[in-house]
Amino acid sequence: QVQLVQSGAEVKKPGASVKVSCKASGYTFTNYYIHWVRQAPGQGLEWMGWINPNSGGTDSAQRFQGRVTMTRDTSTSTAYMELSRLRSVDTAVYYCARPQGIYTPSNRWFDSWGQGTLVTVSS
Amino acid sequence: IVLSQSPGTLSLSPGERATLSCRASQSVNSAFLAWYQQKPGQAPRLLIYGASNRATGIPDRFSGSASGTDFTLTISRLEPEDFAVYFCQQFGGSLRSTFGQGTKLEI
Repeated sequence: QVQLVQSGAEVKKPGASVKVSCKASGYTFTNYYIHWVRQAPGQGLEWMGWINPNSGGTDSAQRFQGRVTMTRDTSTSTAYMELSRLRSVDTAVYYCARPQGIYTPSNRWFDSWGQGTLVTVSS
Repeated sequence: IVLSQSPGTLSLSPGERATLSCRASQSVNSAFLAWYQQKPGQAPRLLIYGASNRATGIPDRFSGSASGTDFTLTISRLEPEDFAVYFCQQFGGSLRSTFGQGTKLEI
């Protein structure tokens, strides 16, 4: 079955960077985009961006552009999301998610999620 | 595209009917509208995709509908396990996405 397993919780100081990993199993990693979504404490879900594991191509929400880097390692079926210049407002649970399908429209909803990674930004 | 969910909190009892709203600030392809349920400490779970299609394993008391820029999630008869937070999500043609701010369904 499809599994997305994320790295453990992180505590970072303001201005630092954090890199979260998402290891995929149970399917062909390069066939499905990986998206990143975050959730601040007690708040809603915020879409951050995606990576195409096949090509390495990425796109992100405008508010994260210049600060988020998404990469992948196809040899280990792992996607990474690095967020730089952290601020306290970046304290959140970060999720990776996989769409249900490869093609439109089934690549527009997520049926598999990682367990989430709590990133705390505090001085 | 901004998705506005209402109400922010909905207080109901088991057995009652719940109606949750999600309104888009501009036209959304209903094929690209999904609903998720999230319980405390858990990742979201896909409930509805394409505005009205139930995901695998979702009970038929959950249904979704669309009318223009208005989308509705209905839970016909609330079960105790349905009390959670619900989010709508849309995707644009560019594969960029946004979520609504959520509706908390409480007992």
